[in-house]
Amino acid sequence: AQSVTQLGSHVSVSEGALVLLRCNYSSSVPPYLFWYVQYPNQGLQLLLKYTSAATLVKGINGFEAEFKKSETSFHLTKPSAHMSDAAEYFCAVSGGGGGNKLTFGTGTQLKVEL
Amino acid sequence: GAVVSQHPSRVICKSGTSVKIECRSLDFQATTMFWYRQFPKQSLMLMATSNEGSKATYEQGVEKDKFLINHASLTLSTLTVTSAHPEDSSFYICSARVPTAGSETQYFGPGTRLLVL
Repeated sequence: AQSVTQLGSHVSVSEGALVLLRCNYSSSVPPYLFWYVQYPNQGLQLLLKYTSAATLVKGINGFEAEFKKSETSFHLTKPSAHMSDAAEYFCAVSGGGGGNKLTFGTGTQLKVEL
Repeated sequence: GAVVSQHPSRVICKSGTSVKIECRSLDFQATTMFWYRQFPKQSLMLMATSNEGSKATYEQGVEKDKFLINHASLTLSTLTVTSAHPEDSSFYICSARVPTAGSETQYFGPGTRLLVL
């Protein structure tokens, strides 16, 4: 079985500060890992994905994530937060025992303050 | 990128009626689509996997006779909530898997807000 744990249901940062959203996964085989962003009353938008190529993945809107097998982590970062980054962020895993199914974490609400 | 649309974006219906939600892949063909349900301030729960030309695969605990899924073409899947009740009120989101070799990426629709009175 595969699973995802997102530490911190709410994260608050100041505008211009570093954004760090944590994600740890569990999978019996090399996984595919994803970060999605959801704005209020909207669907999910793909930020970036790891599919066994480069371990440092760059996504849209200045976000990036690093796959660390030894730590079973796939944390999402952005050097400088912008007000427009305020949203819900979901980490997800597929592959392995779950096949094509995506298993989502519980989400992290990012708040950006002036 | 791959675009997925949903219609309607919002629907209000009376208890006991049926509601159909459409999910379309606009610029690619999707042999596999997924239907999710999301409760307020919670994560997405996979309801079923919709395969073109065959029966949908439902997750444990999801009533297949209540949530009818039809994937009649490579660009359209529909979810019909039959005999809807207030507890079916939720945000329903579909996704489509892009059939790119080596990728398991799903692209999501904008969601449908269902309110059953």
